[in-house]
Amino acid sequence: NAGVTQTPKFRVLKTGQSMTLLCAQDMNHEYMYWYRQDPGMGLRLIHYSVGEGTTAKGEVPDGYNVSRLKKQNFLLGLESAAPSQTSVYFCASINAGRNYEQYFGPGTRLTVT
Amino acid sequence: AQSVTQPDIHITVSEGASLELRCNYSYGATPYLFWYVQSPGQGLQLLLKYFSGDTLVQGIKGFEAEFKRSQSSFNLRKPSVHWSDAAEYFCAVAPTSGTYKYIFGTGTRLKVLA
Repeated sequence: NAGVTQTPKFRVLKTGQSMTLLCAQDMNHEYMYWYRQDPGMGLRLIHYSVGEGTTAKGEVPDGYNVSRLKKQNFLLGLESAAPSQTSVYFCASINAGRNYEQYFGPGTRLTVT
Repeated sequence: AQSVTQPDIHITVSEGASLELRCNYSYGATPYLFWYVQSPGQGLQLLLKYFSGDTLVQGIKGFEAEFKRSQSSFNLRKPSVHWSDAAEYFCAVAPTSGTYKYIFGTGTRLKVLA
């Protein structure tokens, strides 16, 4: 049982490049989330999903897109990276209706130059 | 607006000393309350949570937190800090029904002096 995994762990992009971050969970959780963490700002919700095939915007969705084609995977896309998207990205999941605990992945550190 | 405030950005304590990290929230109704810990380079781990009932909740690693409705606070405490407690601590709230969307505070970074 790997829990929540994220790929890649580190990435450097040039402005304007695109990339996809992959989050996978093997706990059969319904809800999945993408956060970004910036110094002094805590975790801010980018997008989330309440089930396979559904996504919704969070607090800071601009510049990002997501997809949840399979229940266990939640993808975060950057179509045209900007330096303001330099951050650490965390994925999390919840077994809705159980104990409300969010299980977090180890994070992806993204630098946009 | 819904928000979580952690007024202390950094706290430094000596090993063996007691610790209290503050958390205040602004929410329409009493939410579910959480404390998470993040060690350097790691994801977040749940320390404890409050849903209802006894306002003093116990968590892992010897931590406890007290919910005070009148003060909209959920402060984290530990009687004797260990060097391994050095980390960043996040308070969070979530609605008691609906989208399971958390709101996180900005975090308190704890430094422990030997």
